[in-house]
Amino acid sequence: DTEVTQTPKHLVMGMTNKKSLKCEQHMGHRAMYWYKQKAKKPPELMFVYSYEKLSINESVPSRFSPECPNSSLLNLHLHALQPEDSALYLCASSQEGGQGNFYGYTFGSGTRLTVV
Amino acid sequence: AQSVTQPDIHITVSEGASLELRCNYSYGATPYLFWYVQSPGQGLQLLLKYFSGDTLVQGIKGFEAEFKRSQSSFNLRKPSVHWSDAAEYFCAVGVRGGGGNKLTFGTGTQLKVEL
Repeated sequence: DTEVTQTPKHLVMGMTNKKSLKCEQHMGHRAMYWYKQKAKKPPELMFVYSYEKLSINESVPSRFSPECPNSSLLNLHLHALQPEDSALYLCASSQEGGQGNFYGYTFGSGTRLTVV
Repeated sequence: AQSVTQPDIHITVSEGASLELRCNYSYGATPYLFWYVQSPGQGLQLLLKYFSGDTLVQGIKGFEAEFKRSQSSFNLRKPSVHWSDAAEYFCAVGVRGGGGNKLTFGTGTQLKVEL
């Protein structure tokens, strides 16, 4: 299995809702990532998990809460989002967990989030 | 801090023509360099990567890239473009760190292929 699977593919939520995005990989990768991508823009790093521990938080607002229950799963919990948070949310994983060579990321196909 | 510049926002080529997408990076040490492609509404697919060694790297879908340290460049090339190559292309530089490895992307180049 060489894929990163993200669910749901599309999500519409109100500003008072609580929802979660899910990401799963079975490649044995020990680093997982959340990126946010606005239309016509490059992806921007939000969070990095290395060996199931949060290692990088790029000053993301607290209405985004990541969770890594095990080495294969990564969640992004959403609460009280704003319309400007509407974007494509991409999950990625990589072979290493902080040290060693950098082989690049494997990306999922993303969750298209719309906040109304 | 590392950064990546893709000077061309849009490029249009005819099917069958050759292609070169430009990428310049800024990083103090030897960089890890990548090219990704993204079709509309999709995730990013890795085309190729450079770590060290041979400066001409081969990737998937007939793409290649050449690392030129003196020019801080990592340009992507394809000898004959197919209509299915129309997509957004991102160059990225990777940085290893104790807290995790980070990819920083350029602003992307939108490729349009004319039939």
